[in-house]
Amino acid sequence: QKEVEQNSGPLSVPEGAIASLNCTYSDRGSQSFFWYRQYSGKSPELIMFIYSNGDKEDGRFTAQLNKASQYVSLLIRDSQPSDSATYLCAVNGGYQKVTFGIGTKLQVIP
Amino acid sequence: GAVVSQHPSRVICKSGTSVKIECRSLDFQATTMFWYRQFPKKSLMLMATSNEGSKATYEQGVEKDKFLINHASLTLSTLTVTSAHPEDSSFYICSARGPSGSQQRETQYFGPGTRLLVL
Repeated sequence: QKEVEQNSGPLSVPEGAIASLNCTYSDRGSQSFFWYRQYSGKSPELIMFIYSNGDKEDGRFTAQLNKASQYVSLLIRDSQPSDSATYLCAVNGGYQKVTFGIGTKLQVIP
Repeated sequence: GAVVSQHPSRVICKSGTSVKIECRSLDFQATTMFWYRQFPKKSLMLMATSNEGSKATYEQGVEKDKFLINHASLTLSTLTVTSAHPEDSSFYICSARGPSGSQQRETQYFGPGTRLLVL
């Protein structure tokens, strides 16, 4: 069974710090990787997707992918209280349904 | 681009009634849509995959006769909760796979969700 593992948290970081969210996956054939943010009571919204090994930056967010180690991470620089949410890692092993992790709850402390 | 809407956003109904939830891709055609359910403080649970013009594929443990899915067009999928009971109260979220032929085709875009309360 294809699995996506995340620490449920909560991960607490002070405002202005870097938040580091990690995710590992079991399907070595996975090809595309996504990070979603979900505020309490709301549906997930896409933050970033990454297909290739290495880093991908978008504003304060950086996604990192290491296929050899089967992990993907999300860094949030200059964390803000508005970043407090649950971050879902999702993995797609081809033209198949996406497998979601349970999400990591991030708390940014003012 | 890649906007997904859901209607209604919130519904309260009596036990035994049926509730229909609509999921629409507003600015792209979605051959595949997904229906999820999420209980409070729990992770997303995939219920079924909806393919335009064919029968939906249900996940293990999901009753297909209770959760009827219709994907009659490239922009609309509906989920009908039949004979709803209080235990069906949940947050139902649909998503659509991105436009085919685009880099986003493997990305899922979520609707805003429908909160169902069965009394």
